[in-house]
Amino acid sequence: QSVLTQPPSVSAAPGQKVTISCSGNSSNIGNNYVSWYQQLPGAAPKVLIYDNDRRPSGIPDRFSGSKAGTSATLAITGLQTGDEADYYCGTWDRSLSAGVFGGGTKLTVL
Amino acid sequence: EVQLLESGRGLVQPGGSLRLSCTASGFTFNTFWMSWVRQAPGKGLEWVANIKRDGSEKYYVDSVKGRFTISRDNAKNSLFLQMNSLRAEDTAVYYCARGSMGSGTLDQWGRGALVTVSS
Repeated sequence: QSVLTQPPSVSAAPGQKVTISCSGNSSNIGNNYVSWYQQLPGAAPKVLIYDNDRRPSGIPDRFSGSKAGTSATLAITGLQTGDEADYYCGTWDRSLSAGVFGGGTKLTVL
Repeated sequence: EVQLLESGRGLVQPGGSLRLSCTASGFTFNTFWMSWVRQAPGKGLEWVANIKRDGSEKYYVDSVKGRFTISRDNAKNSLFLQMNSLRAEDTAVYYCARGSMGSGTLDQWGRGALVTVSS
């Protein structure tokens, strides 16, 4: 059971938009920045979004993040088959004094 | 180019010990927090531990407290994870990552090192 809650899977057609939610509480998302990571099959994770809504250089603006209260959302527009991957949200939990991840969401581009 | 290279992977019996190393290059190592994250086969990511720039602060996930020790050698640009009293549930790919989830993000990741705990 992960501290942060994500849907196990989402799917959409190429070119469409998909959103992935990440729910936490006041000890984690409510009081810390959220990052989103993409893990392509067989590869190491890579940061897509940090500080809730900022993109590292090289990440296309099709990927965006937002946060409201104790929940965060990753949005991907203009879906491509190459976006098929597992996506994880992560942050720090002040009560646990530990990093925490969501359980991961598998994106399928139909 | 930033590079993180894990070493020390292997097969170990339950109750045994193993030391993972991560050699960093392409950035000023002693100015970054560093972290370990693991992923059990077919499972999601699990944060394991992190360490401050000068090694003065360390944090661990509850399941490894008292068994794992994170450390670093800034003179050698290296991060370590000493794992003792290993259990079957510690079987995972262990990733070295630059940064801390407590003060930012994990912005660079190594390729990972597989640790298998089995008799």
